[in-house]
Amino acid sequence: DAGVIQSPRHEVTEMGQEVTLRCKPISGHDYLFWYRQTMMRGLELLIYFNNNVPIDDSGMPEDRFSAKMPNASFSTLKIQPSEPRDSAVYFCASSLGTGERYEQYFGPGTRLTVT
Amino acid sequence: GEDVEQSLFLSVREGDSSVINCTYTDSSSTYLYWYKQEPGAGLQLLTYIFSNMDMKQDQRLTVLLNKKDKHLSLRIADTQTGDSAIYFCAESLSGAGSYQLTFGKGTKLSVIP
Repeated sequence: DAGVIQSPRHEVTEMGQEVTLRCKPISGHDYLFWYRQTMMRGLELLIYFNNNVPIDDSGMPEDRFSAKMPNASFSTLKIQPSEPRDSAVYFCASSLGTGERYEQYFGPGTRLTVT
Repeated sequence: GEDVEQSLFLSVREGDSSVINCTYTDSSSTYLYWYKQEPGAGLQLLTYIFSNMDMKQDQRLTVLLNKKDKHLSLRIADTQTGDSAIYFCAESLSGAGSYQLTFGKGTKLSVIP
């Protein structure tokens, strides 16, 4: 398997623009997670899905952030409008929905810079 | 609330052993994990330990778990320059069917040649 795929790897945008980050989880994984990583706050869980349904979005910072999972092989995280404080690395991760080990497999991340 | 704490930095000489420590708060965590993040990459699972175990060894890696003190450590024997990375401790949240992990802020390991 190719692992979790994220695109783009790098995104530079101006404040106020819409940003869309994309993720393809590992085939067969029932859970998909979106994280944000910054130096100050470390790794924060934004939202996660089970079988394409959002389960917990309490980590989504503001209404400017939205996430969708239209099918089992694709998810998007959208920021509209973007602000400089959104600059971070955004990771997508997926995991199997069976068993107890819960380990998550991470994508390479999207480094977002908002100027 | 749940909180996982780690020291932020560790520096060791090549060939020495590294010990990275972590404290967690959820006493009912089922599994505890160590992830490694190399520069510019995502997190990769290194190893994990089930909460009813005290120790787990996997080649150069040794994980020790003290449930009473809620303390987890990762020992890397014969540390190499390729081990330079950020190491994250994580715990699974309690509750049936809970698939969330809580991560520490990570410990940056620097290996001096």
